[in-house]
Amino acid sequence: EAGVVQSPRYKIIEKKQPVAFWCNPISGHNTLYWYRQNLGQGPELLIRYENEEAVDDSQLPKDRFSAERLKGVDSTLKIQPAELGDSAVYLCASSFQRELYEQYFGPGTRLTVT
Amino acid sequence: KQEVTQIPAALSVPEGENLVLNCSFTDSAIYNLQWFRQDPGKGLTSLLLIQSSQREQTSGRLNASLDKSSGRSTLYIAASQPGDSATYLCAVAGTGTASKLTFGTGTRLQVTL
Repeated sequence: EAGVVQSPRYKIIEKKQPVAFWCNPISGHNTLYWYRQNLGQGPELLIRYENEEAVDDSQLPKDRFSAERLKGVDSTLKIQPAELGDSAVYLCASSFQRELYEQYFGPGTRLTVT
Repeated sequence: KQEVTQIPAALSVPEGENLVLNCSFTDSAIYNLQWFRQDPGKGLTSLLLIQSSQREQTSGRLNASLDKSSGRSTLYIAASQPGDSATYLCAVAGTGTASKLTFGTGTRLQVTL
């Protein structure tokens, strides 16, 4: 069974530029998560989807961040414009209620904003 | 608000030692607790999930225990190997939102030859 797929793995951009991350969850997993992980810290939830609906986006900086999950499968996280403080690893995870919401993570996208 | 703390922040042990990693949480109303492993530059790998009704879970050389009343979990690694070197993260799901995890900052483990 394929795991959570993310792309790109690395991205370097200049501040004020836009950037987008893509995630394909494990087949059948209806819950999808986007996390941000700063160096030396645990991941922090940005947004959580149940199928197509964003049910928890309280930690998403909505002035510059946006996300979508079309058809309840793939998801895209966008930052526009990027700031220096956005440099971090962006992780996508998925889970299934019948599996006790055990979360499976993708490899992440390491973003560097210069 | 749930807070998760992991002690120690870093640990170095010689190969073959048994070791214990600690995780504490402030709100005992949890749905489950997960232990993850993270290798440098990689995503998180789920190691063990303990339901709130369980006391422990085992997988190979790993054993995780849960004491909800005291807000603590431990991850026991038997006969450590250099390949166990990684950061170990504890995460707690609350009863209000079972799918939402709150993470600790992790314990960075190095197993030396």
